[in-house]
Amino acid sequence: NAGVTQTPKFQVLKTGQSMTLQCAQDMNHNSMYWYRQDPGMGLRLIYYSASEGTTDKGEVPNGYNVSRLNKREFSLRLESAAPSQTSVYFCASSAVSGGSYEQYFGPGTRLTVT
Amino acid sequence: DAKTTQPTSMDCAEGRAANLPCNHSTISGNEYVYWYRQIHSQGPQYIIHGLKNNETNEMASLIITEDRKSSTLILPHATLRDTAVYYCIAYLYNFNKFYFGSGTKLNVKP
Repeated sequence: NAGVTQTPKFQVLKTGQSMTLQCAQDMNHNSMYWYRQDPGMGLRLIYYSASEGTTDKGEVPNGYNVSRLNKREFSLRLESAAPSQTSVYFCASSAVSGGSYEQYFGPGTRLTVT
Repeated sequence: DAKTTQPTSMDCAEGRAANLPCNHSTISGNEYVYWYRQIHSQGPQYIIHGLKNNETNEMASLIITEDRKSSTLILPHATLRDTAVYYCIAYLYNFNKFYFGSGTKLNVKP
């Protein structure tokens, strides 16, 4: 039981390049999330997927797209990377349990855009 | 969602109780209070949550005031491994969105 896994762990991109961050969970959770964390800051929600087949914008969605490929996988795509997207990206998942939404987080992807 | 206010940093001696306050004066009746922590640059880790009653688990205790405008996370016997940033979140469960603030940096000192 690996929990939430993310690939890659590190990535350096040039401005304008594109890439997809991958996330998978093996806990049979319905909901999945993408956050970014800039240095010295808290996490900010980019997109989330309440259930398979649905996605919705969070606090900072501009410059990103997401795909909920199936119940296990939720990917984040940067179509044209910008230096402002340099950040650590965390994926999370959660199940519904009596109104409780405890989230489980992956180890993060550290992205640098030059 | 209600906003939360936390002190930027706190110190605690190893072995002592760490009491981390959180203000959520605009919280609504059906918003839960959640606590997470982030050790170094790892992914955040769930600690505890509550609605009205005080809660306790193997990691911590959560004390919520009767008017629900504030809460305190208690780590009963802090260790060096508890050094982390602690986030208090007011969460409206049917919106399915968590908003993390800047949190409190807890420094546990020997």
